[in-house]
Amino acid sequence: NAGVTQTPKFQVLKTGQSMTLQCAQDMNHEYMSWYRQDPGMGLRLIHYSVGAGITDQGEVPNGYNVSRSTTEDFPLRLLSAAPSQTSVYFCASSYSMGQGFYEQYFGPGTRLTVT
Amino acid sequence: SQQGEEDPQALSIQEGENATMNCSYKTSINNLQWYRQNSGRGLVHLILIRSNEREKHSGRLRVTLDTSKKSSSLLITASRAADTASYFCATDPTSGSARQLTFGSGTQLTVLP
Repeated sequence: NAGVTQTPKFQVLKTGQSMTLQCAQDMNHEYMSWYRQDPGMGLRLIHYSVGAGITDQGEVPNGYNVSRSTTEDFPLRLLSAAPSQTSVYFCASSYSMGQGFYEQYFGPGTRLTVT
Repeated sequence: SQQGEEDPQALSIQEGENATMNCSYKTSINNLQWYRQNSGRGLVHLILIRSNEREKHSGRLRVTLDTSKKSSSLLITASRAADTASYFCATDPTSGSARQLTFGSGTQLTVLP
């Protein structure tokens, strides 16, 4: 299994540009999520999905869109990049259960710089 | 909002010593998880402890959970240089509308050879 893969590894954008961060998993996990990690802070949840066709907002959703058309893929779209979105982005997946989470599997991250 | 907060923020020890990191949280939880992050890499799950468990072991790792004090500790015994990393606790709250783990800001552990 490849686990959770993310592309690209690095990206530089100019303010106002849009782009899509790709995330894929091959473990048939129902739950997928996107986090951002800023220096000195933990991970903050942007959006998450509990299954194909179902997405919801996390703690910091503004400026980002997601969709989940398949179990495997969960892309994150930046609509109009801003310097405040400079961060490291992590995608994660896990099995979903009625109460409580199983361990999360993380991708290697995408380091995004917005100038 | 960050429910889990690790203490200390940074810890430096000699190889062979034990390292203890603490995590405090605010609300009731289903479980608490610990993750490791090596520099420039993604997070790796270490151990999960459920709210009805008090202690759990995995190799050189020992995790305790005190739900009355809303705190957890991670002990790494006989540390090695390869244990150098950031360690995060993550809580799975019983309440709240979003299905999410809440991560703390981490403890940076440096193990000196």
